Amino acid sequence: IAGITQAPTSQILAAGRRMTLRCTQDMRHNAMYWYRQDLGLGLRLIHYSNTAGTTGKGEVPDGYSVSRANTDDFPLTLASAVPSQTSVYFCASSRLAGVGNEQFFGPGTRLTVL
Amino acid sequence: AQSVTQLGSHVSVSEGALVLLRCNYSSSVPPYLFWYVQYPNQGLQLLLKYTSAATLVKGINGFEAEFKKSETSFHLTKPSAHMSDAAEYFCAVSADYKLSFGAGTTVTVRA
Repeated sequence: IAGITQAPTSQILAAGRRMTLRCTQDMRHNAMYWYRQDLGLGLRLIHYSNTAGTTGKGEVPDGYSVSRANTDDFPLTLASAVPSQTSVYFCASSRLAGVGNEQFFGPGTRLTVL
Repeated sequence: AQSVTQLGSHVSVSEGALVLLRCNYSSSVPPYLFWYVQYPNQGLQLLLKYTSAATLVKGINGFEAEFKKSETSFHLTKPSAHMSDAAEYFCAVSADYKLSFGAGTTVTVRA
């Protein structure tokens, strides 16, 4: 079934550790996104990529980095995790970047930083 | 700049009753507007989107939304709630490269 896969499903992490959340899509979408979801705040954009080889900062990029080496994969790395990064992380993709394009979401990764 | 305000973080309705979820937006340019639904422990799924073709937009599962420019609103409705409608609903606006989401409204359906 076409779509977006994320790994791991959930993770408990000690503060200060490095962690990479994986995201893979098989829809050949050009644009990909990382959001974090926190209660009462909705979803906030962390980083995005309009096409392979390019990335950009979203609303809350501090403490996170991304890479886009190919069309399908868009990993999110926490270099040194802190408790405020406890959240549910969603990866999304859209066929094209820009206004009005529907975004498709993965199932999410629940991350707890202790 | 663009933003979305969802009025009411929780809505409780009886099965068979009207569901009304309120969304107001601000945007410096004509916006695209979306409603997404999130079922427990799942990702977001598109319910419907407004792209200026028609002000009344019909989506999946019997939901519809009406774009009212004068009120900067995009409220979501369903005439008759079903138990399966229990979920969290997000309104979102797109006026540039990204989506900006509201805080979400959780819907509970009473038998």
